[in-house]
Amino acid sequence: QKEVEQNSGPLSVPEGAIASLNCTYSDRGSQSFFWYRQYSGKSPELIMSIYSNGDKEDGRFTAQLNKASQYVSLLIRDSQPSDSATYLCAVSGGSQGNLIFGKGTKLSVKP
Amino acid sequence: KAGVTQTPRYLIKTRGQQVTLSCSPISGHRSVSWYQQTPGQGLQFLFEYFSETQRNKGNFPGRFSGRQFSNSRSEMNVSTLELGDSALYLCASSLEGERGGNTIYFGEGSWLTVV
Repeated sequence: QKEVEQNSGPLSVPEGAIASLNCTYSDRGSQSFFWYRQYSGKSPELIMSIYSNGDKEDGRFTAQLNKASQYVSLLIRDSQPSDSATYLCAVSGGSQGNLIFGKGTKLSVKP
Repeated sequence: KAGVTQTPRYLIKTRGQQVTLSCSPISGHRSVSWYQQTPGQGLQFLFEYFSETQRNKGNFPGRFSGRQFSNSRSEMNVSTLELGDSALYLCASSLEGERGGNTIYFGEGSWLTVV
């Protein structure tokens, strides 16, 4: 069974700080990587996708991928209380053919 | 452009009953996937449909089934409901499906409570 692992948290950071969310995956054949944000009682919404090694920046968000280490991360700069949510890492392109989600990291940004 | 639409949003069923949930994908999207989300297990893949064919299936019992229509709309059915089926059921659509690394977009979900 292919797995995606995330620290469940909660991860608590002060407003304005950098939040670092990490994810590891077991299927070395995985090719597509996604971060979703899910507010309590809501459905997941896509934040970023990344397909090649290195960093990808979008506003306050930076996704980092290291396929050799089977590791993907999400950095949130200048964290805001509105960033408080559960962040889901998802991986696809491996042997199972469908997206596999981690259980999510709960982020709390304190004013 | 309208997003993924799921109905009903909330429902309560009794053990042993069956339920049908509906999903309309984003216009032009041909792939529809279904996920079950519970606090303990997280998001778990149920199945994916593409052009009316089930293309992939997760590890759920046969009580869980689905189908896709020619207009890409999809339904999932759960028969003989159990208390453990209480969950948020999420539908997601994409252009060509998850296998190709396409981004999937979620609907707002259907909250099912089994009593």
